[in-house]
Amino acid sequence: SQQGEEDPQALSIQEGENATMNCSYKTSINNLQWYRQNSGRGLVHLILIRSNEREKHSGRLRVTLDTSKKSSSLLITASRAADTASYFCATDASYKLSFGAGTTVTVRA
Amino acid sequence: ETGVTQSPTHLIKTRGQQVTLRCSSQSGHNTVSWYQQALGQGPQFIFQYYREEENGRGNFPPRFSGLQFPNYSSELNVNALELDDSALYLCASSSVAGEQFFGPGTRLTVL
Repeated sequence: SQQGEEDPQALSIQEGENATMNCSYKTSINNLQWYRQNSGRGLVHLILIRSNEREKHSGRLRVTLDTSKKSSSLLITASRAADTASYFCATDASYKLSFGAGTTVTVRA
Repeated sequence: ETGVTQSPTHLIKTRGQQVTLRCSSQSGHNTVSWYQQALGQGPQFIFQYYREEENGRGNFPPRFSGLQFPNYSSELNVNALELDDSALYLCASSSVAGEQFFGPGTRLTVL
């Protein structure tokens, strides 16, 4: 079974809008990582947030982590067509990453 | 580009055959992990190698095995292929900070 669960499963937005996706998990973690995947190819690492951090920014990305609720969110601001991809959260509890099924984001021109 | 490379890009095998997939880790990384990603799903952890020793294993049968070499490159071997083994196989190398950087993957099709 998968540790993380992303919500929603799919998201369609207009270029320039913001996209928000959420991740819930079940057990204690060391850190949580977000990845992007285009067309079934390799995963691109976006951001890592540690269990003692609450918010992190990287360019147009903002990630929050609430360990009391066992949840995280990824916000992409001012979306572009190139942001069209699947986004995965992955929890790191020991030596392995546990992934959810992902959120598919489509940015319409 | 992460610096993690995988070969081959695509592979077609028949049921019962054996396959070897290869991964070269990013410079400076001594840990390699392998994941299987079925269509429409997230990656599932297969196993991890740290300094040539298996460091943890997911819920995969023994016919999935691996190696890590002194230069930290790695192989994933799958024996007695089954149709359900058709998937994208991803390897990732890890930094000290904990981020895992993935290669482009090998698409395996079992007929």
